[in-house]
Amino acid sequence: GDSVTQMEGPVTLSEEAFLTINCTYTATGYPSLFWYVQYPGEGLQLLLKATKADDKGSNKGFEATYRKETTSFHLEKGSVQVSDSAVYFCALSSSGGGADGLTFGKGTHLIIQP
Amino acid sequence: DVKVTQSSRYLVKRTGEKVFLECVQDMDHENMFWYRQDPGLGLRLIYFSYDVKMKEKGDIPEGYSVSREKKERFSLILESASTNQTSMYLCASRPQAGGNQPQHFGDGTRLSIL
Repeated sequence: GDSVTQMEGPVTLSEEAFLTINCTYTATGYPSLFWYVQYPGEGLQLLLKATKADDKGSNKGFEATYRKETTSFHLEKGSVQVSDSAVYFCALSSSGGGADGLTFGKGTHLIIQP
Repeated sequence: DVKVTQSSRYLVKRTGEKVFLECVQDMDHENMFWYRQDPGLGLRLIYFSYDVKMKEKGDIPEGYSVSREKKERFSLILESASTNQTSMYLCASRPQAGGNQPQHFGDGTRLSIL
């Protein structure tokens, strides 16, 4: 079945550092890929998405590129802020067209220190 | 903006009780989902529904049932609560079937079974 693998952390960085959170996936067909963010005490919010190979999703300074050849969707940000501290989830949705749910990675806890 | 509202942020119940978790969305979405979130396990799909009165089992349906009598409301039912059902429960909705459409999440219900 489908699966998503991401570094779990916690990942601790200083403010203004460069961020990479790795995400790789296993899926049949051509899935859509998502990054969600969960701030403390809240639900998940969509951060960005990509629906086909070589697409780049971007939002709030975060970027991720859909790499079919390496089955990866790594999240990057050039300069993180304390307010970026949260748990980040990589997820995929199969291309089957049905109403199946998302397959999530286990989440990466990011801590940004001032 | 899509609003997914879960009726309780925190809930404490006793072993053996019948527990109802309610979720309402205000955007006329066809698909709705229930996940549970546990440390080290990420999010796992319990049940989903692609339309009124429709329901499908997800990855971990045992011990749960659902009800979708109206399009905007999707209820998760714990028939006889057990301590291993202590968890964070997240509801989500999506406009319609299609892997490239993101899901929109509520803020979650943290359920404790004593």
